Amino acid sequence: AQTVTQSQPEMSVQEAETVTLSCTYDTSESNYYLFWYKQPPSRQMILVIRQEAYKQQNATENRFSVNFQKAAKSFSLKISDSQLGDTAMYFCAFMMAYSGAGSYQLTFGKGTKLSVIP
Amino acid sequence: GAGVSQSPSNKVTEKGKDVELRCDPISGHTALYWYRQRLGQGLEFLIYFQGNSAPDKSGLPSDRFSAERTGESVSTLTIQRTQQEDSAVYLCASSTSVVNIQYFGAGTRLSVL
Repeated sequence: AQTVTQSQPEMSVQEAETVTLSCTYDTSESNYYLFWYKQPPSRQMILVIRQEAYKQQNATENRFSVNFQKAAKSFSLKISDSQLGDTAMYFCAFMMAYSGAGSYQLTFGKGTKLSVIP
Repeated sequence: GAGVSQSPSNKVTEKGKDVELRCDPISGHTALYWYRQRLGQGLEFLIYFQGNSAPDKSGLPSDRFSAERTGESVSTLTIQRTQQEDSAVYLCASSTSVVNIQYFGAGTRLSVL
């Protein structure tokens, strides 16, 4: 079974600064996907970024980028130029990349609550 | 529709009552998922529907939980004889069969008194 660990329950950052959220995972699979989702107070989970494990290049989406270290099973999220609207819970998630039982399930960490301070 | 729609947004019920939660996926999405999010926790997988295939119910915590979906349309999650430990946010997601990105609704917050 896969596990996802987010070791930072809460973090804060000054507006316009950069913050990094940590995520580690455990799996015996070699091919998989990793995701960061954002959950604002509205409760809706919003996809921030996705990484395919077979790609060495780190994914980026505007102010959001990841540091994917496959050997270390680490998948951190960097938010640059933090904005007040980035205040939310952030969840790291894992999905296997083959077609088979359970392959479509997202396994989530417990989340990191990020507060952006004006 | 433009996004995944869930109703009701909030539901308060008494212990022992049955509840039904509804999910309307994005049009054209063949896959539908239900997750449960307990307070301060990440999401736990409950059940998965893919087209007309038999659903994967492996995440349902007890036989009090069931879900239905007709074709590729609306799904209903039913919890019978609710218990206080069922209090949580129930989130629904949908995706296409080709791209594995799951799009979530805003969830139903269930409170069992």
